[in-house]
Amino acid sequence: AQSVTQLDSHVSVSEGTPVLLRCNYSSSYSPSLFWYVQHPNKGLQLLLKYTSAATLVKGINGFEAEFKKSETSFHLTKPSAHMSDAAEYFCVVSGLTNRDDKIIFGKGTRLHILP
Amino acid sequence: GAVVSQHPSRVICKSGTSVKIECRSLDFQATTMFWYRQFPKKSLMLMATSNEGSKATYEQGVEKDKFLINHASLTLSTLTVTSAHPEDSSFYICSARVGGSGSPLHFGNGTRLTVT
Repeated sequence: AQSVTQLDSHVSVSEGTPVLLRCNYSSSYSPSLFWYVQHPNKGLQLLLKYTSAATLVKGINGFEAEFKKSETSFHLTKPSAHMSDAAEYFCVVSGLTNRDDKIIFGKGTRLHILP
Repeated sequence: GAVVSQHPSRVICKSGTSVKIECRSLDFQATTMFWYRQFPKKSLMLMATSNEGSKATYEQGVEKDKFLINHASLTLSTLTVTSAHPEDSSFYICSARVGGSGSPLHFGNGTRLTVT
């Protein structure tokens, strides 16, 4: 079965330290992968996307993610956290099968930034 | 670019009334629009997929007669919650996409619906 797993429901880091938000997927085909950020009572904003080009993808606000096919992972990282990064982050996978265009959301990871 | 405008951002209505939520793609034509519902501290739940000029495809368990979706043009989709009940209170988010599965979703800012 196709799925997306965000391994941590909550992550807390101190301001200025690195951020790692983990995402694993299962798929029989080459998927498209996305990370979105959601601030309270707002819609989702696209951070970055992977669509079978370079495996290391750079996004907005200093975030990047690396697609590792062997590990079926697409973890989101940022070298130095900022207070404004506190939000909910969703890993999204689409096109997991070639007969059905499915968009699957992870359950989200709440990122807390400690002063 | 790729801005999606959702209106209203907040609405309070009485039980039994209907509420319409609009989703517009401002600077692109959206072949497909999606409507989601989000419960507190939860992920997004897909309600339906609408394609311009055709009937929406509803997910299992979503009442199509209660949640009416119209996608009359390439830039506008509407969700009407009919005969609203307090349990319909939620955060509703629309998104639009140009192209197929490799294309990102562009989201509106959501609508907080409260039914009293």
